[in-house]
Amino acid sequence: QKEVEQDPGPLSVPEGAIVSLNCTYSNSAFQYFMWYRQYSRKGPELLMYTYSSGNKEDGRFTAQVDKSSKYISLFIRDSQPSDSATYLCAMSASGTYKYIFGTGTRLKVLA
Amino acid sequence: GAGVSQSPSNKVTEKGKDVELRCDPISGHTALYWYRQSLGQGLEFLIYFQGNSAPDKSGLPSDRFSAERTGGSVSTLTIQRTQQEDSAVYLCASSFNRGVIYEQYFGPGTRLTVT
Repeated sequence: QKEVEQDPGPLSVPEGAIVSLNCTYSNSAFQYFMWYRQYSRKGPELLMYTYSSGNKEDGRFTAQVDKSSKYISLFIRDSQPSDSATYLCAMSASGTYKYIFGTGTRLKVLA
Repeated sequence: GAGVSQSPSNKVTEKGKDVELRCDPISGHTALYWYRQSLGQGLEFLIYFQGNSAPDKSGLPSDRFSAERTGGSVSTLTIQRTQQEDSAVYLCASSFNRGVIYEQYFGPGTRLTVT
C-alpha cells in the first residue's frame, strides 16, 4: 500500500463547477499537507499548504485536512478552463525535508 | 527573477548509453532535490542536497544513478548504462529550507526516453 493515495482521474467538469480533489494517507506522522498544480510539460508549483487539521482558503481554492480520517481535500470554486492541470498532493512530517507526493489527479475544465 | 532551469528539456538515448542531466537552482537556495516522475507513479524522490552536508541518496534506485552538486549551486544527475525503465521525466527543485515548510520550486524537467 502506498503512503499516499490519489485518484489519477481524469476528472472532467463544466466551467463554473465546484471541483473536489482528494488524497488519503497512512502515515499519522504527517503534519504538513500541500497541494501542487502542474501544467502539461511544466514543473509543479505550490498552490496551498496547511498544517495539521482544519481549513485554509485562498481565493477560489480551499484546502481541508481531516487527520482523524487521514484524508485531505482541495476544493476549487467557479472552476475555469485555466484550472485544467494535474493536481498533486504532498505531505511531510514535522521538521523533515522529505515530501511524499500523490500520483496526481488530472483535471479538465470544459468551456 | 530566474527560476530553476534544467537541460536538456528532452533527451533520447539508446539503451546502455550514459546520460547527464543538469539543474541550475534559484540563486541563494541552499537545498536541491531530484525527483523522477513516471506515468501513474507520481514524484519519486531520488536525492537531496543541503549546503555542505552529505547528500541524502536514499531514493536512488540503483548504483547506475549518481548526482553531484558543485559549489553549492549547479547539480548534475548521471545515469549510467541506461535501461528502458529509466524513461521518465526528471525534475529538479530547490528551496531555502527555512520557515514553516520547505517550499520547493521546480524546474520544467528533462524528459528522458531510452530506446
